[in-house]
Amino acid sequence: IAGITQAPTSQILAAGRRMTLRCTQDMRHNAMYWYRQDLGLGLRLIHYSNTAGTTGKGEVPDGYSVSRANTDDFPLTLASAVPSQTSVYFCASSDKGGTTGELFFGEGSRLTVL
Amino acid sequence: GQNIDQPTEMTATEGAIVQINCTYQTSGFNGLFWYQQHAGEAPTFLSYNVLDGLEEKGRFSSFLSRSKGYSYLLLKELQMKDSASYLCAGLDSNYQLIWGAGTKLIIKP
Repeated sequence: IAGITQAPTSQILAAGRRMTLRCTQDMRHNAMYWYRQDLGLGLRLIHYSNTAGTTGKGEVPDGYSVSRANTDDFPLTLASAVPSQTSVYFCASSDKGGTTGELFFGEGSRLTVL
Repeated sequence: GQNIDQPTEMTATEGAIVQINCTYQTSGFNGLFWYQQHAGEAPTFLSYNVLDGLEEKGRFSSFLSRSKGYSYLLLKELQMKDSASYLCAGLDSNYQLIWGAGTKLIIKP
């Protein structure tokens, strides 16, 4: 089934550890995004990429990094996890980066930092 | 600042009609989206409005008034499977989405 695959679906992590959340899409979409979703808050953009080879900072980029070596993959790395990074992380893609395209979301990665 | 406001929770009866309101303040405006999110699942696209008026898509309709900074999602003939959170998001002048916290819709038999 075409779409976005995220891994892992769930992870418990000790504070201070490094963690990479993986995201792969097979729709050949140009734009990809990482959001975090916390109870009572709207989705908040962490980082985005409008096309392979470029990335940009979103609303809450501190403590996170991304790379976009090719069209399909957009990993999110937490260099040294902290408890405030406990959240559900969604990767999304759009075929109209920077404009008005519909977002397609992965199933999410639930991360708990202790 | 930029802000999206929508009610936290609403309750409705199976078979009835419900209207979920959303007001927005964004730096510039390039449209408004509605997404549906079932508990524990990913958001899925419902509608996009950029011009004033009503867009109908089956049982779901979405309305936009740019002068009032207001939108609503209208759900008709409610079914139990419509129990979900409904997310309103405005697209600002930089084409960045500003998301509301979502409205949890509870459908009772």
